[in-house]
Formats: sequence, C-alpha cells, structure tokens
Amino acid sequence: GENVEQHPSTLSVQEGDSAVIKCTYSDSASNYFPWYKQELGKGPQLIIDIRSNVGEKKDQRIAVTLNKTAKHFSLHITETQPEDSAVYFCAANAGGTSYGKLTFGQGTILTVHP
Amino acid sequence: SAVISQKPSRDICQRGTSLTIQCQVDSQVTMMFWYRQQPGQSLTLIATANQGSEATYESGFVIDKFPISRPNLTFSTLTVSNMSPEDSSIYLCSAGGWSSTDTQYFGPGTRLTVL
Repeated sequence: GENVEQHPSTLSVQEGDSAVIKCTYSDSASNYFPWYKQELGKGPQLIIDIRSNVGEKKDQRIAVTLNKTAKHFSLHITETQPEDSAVYFCAANAGGTSYGKLTFGQGTILTVHP
Repeated sequence: SAVISQKPSRDICQRGTSLTIQCQVDSQVTMMFWYRQQPGQSLTLIATANQGSEATYESGFVIDKFPISRPNLTFSTLTVSNMSPEDSSIYLCSAGGWSSTDTQYFGPGTRLTVL
C-alpha cells in the first residue's frame, strides 16, 4: 500500500520568514496530493491540493510543488504569520482501485514566532 | 466545499460500553470515510463507508469493533464497541465527491475518552 513520509516533524520560524514542508510517497499510481492544516481541537482543514497533471499550484501565500518522477511534493508558505502556527499534514491518494482513500504523513508542527 | 458536522463533539465513556458517532454532510457525496487520530499522532483510516452496502475496513480494524452504517448519501455513523482505554482518540469523518481525486473535507472530530 501507499506510504507517505513527511519532514520535518517540527519547524520553528520567525514571522515573515518562509516555511517548507516536504513529503515523499511510494505508490507511483497516486495522482492526488492534498495538504491539511489542523489547529488545536479542530478537524483538518484543506489548504491546498495538487493533481498529477500539474507541477505547481499557488494560492496567495501558499504554494505546492509536485515532482512525480522523484515521488515527492512540498508545501511552501511565504511571509508566515503567527496564525499559521498549527499542525500540517500531507496526504496522497491510493492508486488503482482504492477509490478515494488517503494516506497521511506523520505531520509537521509549525510554530511562527512573532 | 462540503460542510460536515459530527455528534457528539466529545464524550467520556466507561470501559465496556459503546458509543455511536454521527456524521452529517450538507450535500450528497459519493465517498465517506472514518479516521482515527490518537493523541499527537497522524490520521489512520478505519474504513470506507459505502452507501447501501457493508463498509470496507482497513487492516487492523474489524466490523465487530467498529460497525458502520451509511443509509444515504449524506449521513453515516460509526460505533465504537466494547470500549477500552486504548480506544481513547479523536474520531473523524471525511467526505468527498465523485472521483478518486476529488477534494475530501473533514468534520470537526469527536474526542473520546474511555475510563
């Protein structure tokens, strides 16, 4: 089955700096890669996703890049703000007939210091 | 985007009892899933809730322990049966659209503590 590795497990930055979180996946049939932000006491919130027919997607301060050959994808947050502090999870869908199933990375605790 | 609600939001239960968690979506969706998130951990898929047929369980999860119902395209329940302290977790439902690459949205979660 799919295996998703996420790094780093914790990331501490100063307000205004950039933050990058990286994930690798194992199933070459995976074609959908969402990123979720989870704040304390809440469910995961989708912040951006990318499908395998594009290499990069951007939404204001957030961008995701995908390298299908190397089987890795990354989340980039620019001009970080204290409210960006949360746990971030990457995920990849299962290929083949495993319709819609997501496998999650281990999570990254991002702390943005004012 | 889909809006998902869960009930209850949290509960404290005694060992040996069962709890049923409800998940309601504000629009019809093909896919509904149930996840478990143990304290400080990532999300682990329990099962896919199939409308009109038995749920599909992941390795390590069985129907007797986690029976699931999906009576229509907007609602599902997960029961945690014969609970033990090891079942203390956050239980999350998610819902998606009409293809394997459609966005999945999550509910707020149910925080379960078993004493």
